[in-house]
Amino acid sequence: DAGITQSPRHKVTETGTPVTLRCHQTENHRYMYWYRQDPGHGLRLIHYSYGVKDTDKGEVSDGYSVSRSKTEDFLLTLESATSSQTSVYFCAIGQAGQGDINEQFFGPGTRLTVL
Amino acid sequence: AQSVAQPEDQVNVAEGNPLTVKCTYSVSGNPYLFWYVQYPNRGLQFLLKYITGDNLVKGSYGFEAEFNKSQTSFHLKKPSALVSDSALYFCAVSSSNTGNQFYFGTGTSLTVIP
Repeated sequence: DAGITQSPRHKVTETGTPVTLRCHQTENHRYMYWYRQDPGHGLRLIHYSYGVKDTDKGEVSDGYSVSRSKTEDFLLTLESATSSQTSVYFCAIGQAGQGDINEQFFGPGTRLTVL
Repeated sequence: AQSVAQPEDQVNVAEGNPLTVKCTYSVSGNPYLFWYVQYPNRGLQFLLKYITGDNLVKGSYGFEAEFNKSQTSFHLKKPSALVSDSALYFCAVSSSNTGNQFYFGTGTSLTVIP
């Protein structure tokens, strides 16, 4: 795996509690992404970052916020977790290309259960 | 809108036989296409990509894919399947209009039968 770690790897929480997931990279890649993976939906983009303090929404951003204060760290926060946010969350990184689009590399995932 | 379709949720193939996992796409702008593989309880691993150039792309573990612009397809192929190829396969698309945002298909579960 590329130098990407996610923490925690597993978490069980209760509805209404805040949750923060962390993604850390050692590759110095410019782009970082948060996806969720659900059966029948594949991977869906939640938020992404194209630089420190530069973030944008993906297709399923409602109920999620992100922050990137350092190149190597990208945090995903569920302000008030709901059962519909039970999922497996993947972080990915990508290098900026010179006119090309480069592949993304994925972390090991975080399994989140909201009771 | 950008989208990817993987029409088969499940593909079964006998060991040693050729395998094909299908992918079609819809994008505005020039397409950039990717295949990933996911083993149980793991993240996605990059297999191959098409950006431009030769329509036949070769990737990791003996996999290849053919870009067909007229059919808007990017099917993944391997001449001889191994039991260890059993996994979940995802097709993804980006484009000159969407930049570094990828859109993933729903995945195809490949089972190679010994």
